[in-house]
Formats: sequence, C-alpha cells, structure tokens
Amino acid sequence: AQSVTQLDSQVPVFEEAPVELRCNYSSSVSVYLFWYVQYPNQGLQLLLKYLSGSTLVKGINGFEAEFNKSQTSFHLRKPSVHISDTAEYFCAVSPRHSGNTPLVFGKGTRLSVIA
Amino acid sequence: DTEVTQTPKHLVMGMTNKKSLKCEQHMGHRAMYWYKQKAKKPPELMFVYSYEKLSINESVPSRFSPECPNSSLLNLHLHALQPEDSALYLCASSQDKEKGSGANVLTFGAGSRLTVL
Repeated sequence: AQSVTQLDSQVPVFEEAPVELRCNYSSSVSVYLFWYVQYPNQGLQLLLKYLSGSTLVKGINGFEAEFNKSQTSFHLRKPSVHISDTAEYFCAVSPRHSGNTPLVFGKGTRLSVIA
Repeated sequence: DTEVTQTPKHLVMGMTNKKSLKCEQHMGHRAMYWYKQKAKKPPELMFVYSYEKLSINESVPSRFSPECPNSSLLNLHLHALQPEDSALYLCASSQDKEKGSGANVLTFGAGSRLTVL
C-alpha cells in the first residue's frame, strides 16, 4: 500500500517570494508521482508528473518538482509566486505497473500568496 | 478548458429527491472515476469504471448508483441522500493501462457541487 504525507497544511508566502511545498511518500513498490492544483470552486488540474527519467520535472505555471528516491520525497517549488497561485495543492502517488489502480492523495497544502 | 465536462455545476436537492450527475469525455479514455470531496479535504474515491464495467466500488452506500452507458459517459444517480452527502463530486478519466504498460494519469472535471437539504 502507498501513503502520502504533505507536511504543511498551510503555507503563506509573499508575492514574488520563492515557495516549496513538501511531499513525502511511503511505498513498498516503485511509484509514479503527481502534483495537482485545485483553485477555489474548481476541479483538480495536473501541475506535473514524474514517470521516469530525469528526477527534476517541470510543470505548468513555472512550477517544478524533484524526485528524491532515497528520501522518498517529491517537493514542489516555484522561484517566484504570484497572487494567482493561491490554491490547494495535492501530492499523489500510484504504484507502477498497476493498471488503473487509483491515485493515493495527500491531505493537501493550502498556498496563500500575500500581496 | 477542461476536457472532462460535468453537469450540473450546482445541484440542490431534498432528501426524498432523485437526481443525477453527468460526466462526459471525448479523449478516448477507457477508465472513468467518481470522487467525493468535502471542504478542505482531498478527493475520496467512490467508483472506477474500466472499459464500461465497474471495477472498483469503495464501499459506497447504495443511495449512490453509478452508470456507464458508453465509453464517453459516466452518470451518478442519487436517491434518498443525507445532508452529510453534501460535497463536491468530481469525475475523472484516464487511459486504462494494462499492467506493465504505463502510468495512469487522471484528467479531472470541474466538479458538481451538491447540497442536500
């Protein structure tokens, strides 16, 4: 079984400052890793995913994440945030070679960007 | 624009009503999902359809009844709901990957916000 821990439930940050949202996972098998964003009153949108290859993954809206297998982490970063980045961010995992086994989500991190 | 379309966006119903939520995708995906999301919580899986057959039911009460009429459509029929069923209901779809052939990347709709009075 897999589990995901998002260490921070809320992260306030000033506009144009850098931000890191932390995600750690636990799994007995290799996994795929995802970050989704949910803006207020909307569904989830895929920000980026790690499937294989380079451990540094670039996504939409200037976000990137780095897969660290030894630390079982997949932290999300952005060098300079905007007000429009205010949203809920979910880290998720699914086991490799598992067909349509559903995603396991973390509890989410609320990013609040302050002007 | 999302490629998974959910209707209605908002629904208010009484506990004795019968209503349905609808989801449509035209990406050729063969797996479709219903999730329930309460405020400030992650989505919780309810059902998974694979090639139009129900493959996962996460012990959801029978007052929720899913239906997959074809590979593009997914319905969730609602009957005799309780106020605690009020939530955002999210539909998602993905390519249905056989074991060993790749990742399962979900595309979500914008959701249907349900209020049960």
